[in-house]
Amino acid sequence: EDKVVQSPLSLVVHEGDTVTLNCSYEVTNFRSLLWYKQEKKAPTFLFMLTSSGIEKKSGRLSSILDKKELFSILNITATQTGDSAVYLCAVEASGGYQKVTFGTGTKLQVIP
Amino acid sequence: DARVTQTPRHKVTEMGQEVTMRCQPILGHNTVFWYRQTMMQGLELLAYFRNRAPLDDSGMPKDRFSAEMPDATLATLKIQPSEPRDSAVYFCASGLDRGKYFGPGTRLTVT
Repeated sequence: EDKVVQSPLSLVVHEGDTVTLNCSYEVTNFRSLLWYKQEKKAPTFLFMLTSSGIEKKSGRLSSILDKKELFSILNITATQTGDSAVYLCAVEASGGYQKVTFGTGTKLQVIP
Repeated sequence: DARVTQTPRHKVTEMGQEVTMRCQPILGHNTVFWYRQTMMQGLELLAYFRNRAPLDDSGMPKDRFSAEMPDATLATLKIQPSEPRDSAVYFCASGLDRGKYFGPGTRLTVT
């Protein structure tokens, strides 16, 4: 059974701190890993990663994938209160079907 | 700014009633996913379509749930009969070969 584990489950930091969120996975026929940000509504797409070692970057957020060790990290630098959200990691599998498995998320709270 | 739309946004119904949720994917997207989110289970994939064809609905309780895509602009998820354990937020997502863009969700409460 495909599995996605995120850590930590929750995190409280001060504005300006840098945070690293972790996502490890076990999946048959890996296709891609996706990161989403969810505030009090629908998940918002952040990144899609398919290749190891290539960093994806968007402003203060960046992410990288390690397909050998089966994990990804999401970094947020110079955190702001608007970064407070649940960050979800999802893994897509392929091979005649397309299965998507989500982790339970990391709840990030950024305090002033 | 193209978005996935879902209706209704909120639905309260009594146990045993039929519930139909609708999704309009972003124009041009060929993949539509249905997800359910609860506090206990998180986000679960229920079904997905590619080019309107159902490819996987293994996550869906078949006895009461059904998903269809009658045309490229409409996907439906139906629950009949509904049960209190179906209370959740149901999301539709669309994309090009992936369901990257989520709709706002339908919050379903079954009493």
